[in-house]
Amino acid sequence: IQLTQSPSFLSASVGDRVTITCRASQDIRNYLAWYQQKPGKAPKLLIFATSALQSGVPSRFSGSGSGTEFTLTISSLQPEDFATYYCQHLNSYTLCSFGQGTKLEIK
Amino acid sequence: EVQLVQSGAEVKKPGESLKISCKASGFSFTNDWIAWVRQMPGRGLEWMGIIYPGDSDTRYSPSFQGQVSISADKSINTAYLQWSSLKASDTAMYYCARRGPDVVTGYAFWGQGTLVTVSS
Repeated sequence: IQLTQSPSFLSASVGDRVTITCRASQDIRNYLAWYQQKPGKAPKLLIFATSALQSGVPSRFSGSGSGTEFTLTISSLQPEDFATYYCQHLNSYTLCSFGQGTKLEIK
Repeated sequence: EVQLVQSGAEVKKPGESLKISCKASGFSFTNDWIAWVRQMPGRGLEWMGIIYPGDSDTRYSPSFQGQVSISADKSINTAYLQWSSLKASDTAMYYCARRGPDVVTGYAFWGQGTLVTVSS
């Protein structure tokens, strides 16, 4: 199963609402997570099971979707949100592939 | 407190062998899974494989099957990623991450990463 994120690059301003899309090549039900990664740091889990907010993650982050199309939304961008975001297929049996990433930059 | 502490950076020559480690604490090592993720310089995340230390059940990405070996020593709560013959293309940051019993909960805890540099 392949995951394709769009866009690959996104330029936005503080306060903007942004949406990142992740499309799966097959139905993955709700087995999707979203991560944030800042330069030189390990990824950080934001959302699991498509829409469940990980403990400690601000409520401006939300996830939705099912089947083959999923979205991560940041309702009002904060300076600390500029980072790269990855979706991941969560699979019990084999490859848990990641999307190629979306780099969110300051406009 | 859940922690995954990885071994330090390595500089190796092509053809050399290497084993890096990920020491776990603060959770039941034998009841959770430990995954390994590669990140080549300036590139995205790649899932390499995963091990269940309780019974050493191990699954690999087809891209990494036969290229690396994942193992665990449950007596010291440590997972390993091993190469028998490194290539320059193995230069990357390698992360370990904990996955709980329920796959849908994702990877909430990560090690700090081990930078492997392979150069002649």
